[in-house]
Amino acid sequence: AQRVTQPEKLLSVFKGAPVELKCNYSYSGSPELFWYVQYSRQRLQLLLRHISRESIKGFTADLNKGETSFHLKKPFAQEEDSAMYYCALDQTGANNLFFGTGTRLTVIP
Amino acid sequence: KAGVTQTPRYLIKTRGQQVTLSCSPISGHRSVSWYQQTPGQGLQFLFEYFSETQRNKGNFPGRFSGRQFSNSRSEMNVSTLELGDSALYLCASSLGQHGGLGYTFGSGTRLTVV
Repeated sequence: AQRVTQPEKLLSVFKGAPVELKCNYSYSGSPELFWYVQYSRQRLQLLLRHISRESIKGFTADLNKGETSFHLKKPFAQEEDSAMYYCALDQTGANNLFFGTGTRLTVIP
Repeated sequence: KAGVTQTPRYLIKTRGQQVTLSCSPISGHRSVSWYQQTPGQGLQFLFEYFSETQRNKGNFPGRFSGRQFSNSRSEMNVSTLELGDSALYLCASSLGQHGGLGYTFGSGTRLTVV
């Protein structure tokens, strides 16, 4: 069965420090993986998806099939990055997202 | 263009009642999904519709149902409400037939069952 694990519920880093939000998944097929972010009092929004290999707001995430991970990284954290981050998996062609439990990132000024 | 619109924003119902929530997807998006968000269980998939057909269903009891209209608008219904149904219900729409393009979420309907 598919599963998405975000081991850290809370993560605090200082402004300018690197940040890494961990995400591990369990799925026997080829997954489609996403990171969603929810800023305070805003709706859940797509941050990035692995198929596009893009960098959004300085964040990147690489799919590592060997380690079944899709960690989110940013070299220099900014205060505006403080938010709730969710890793999500979509089974190929299934159109239903499995979400991790989320990591609340706080960037300390 | 307008985002995903969910109505109403807030609802208070009593146990045993039923409720209908509405979702208007982004224009041109034909896939609509519903999710339940609670502090204890997080975000859980309810069901997904594409071109008026339910293609996927999550692990929820039959009291939870939905439908999609020809204009892609969707409704979900919960019958015989229980206290545990109190949650934020999120709707998401997607352009593609498959979810690889990602989903755009609405602000949600917060349902409180008393």
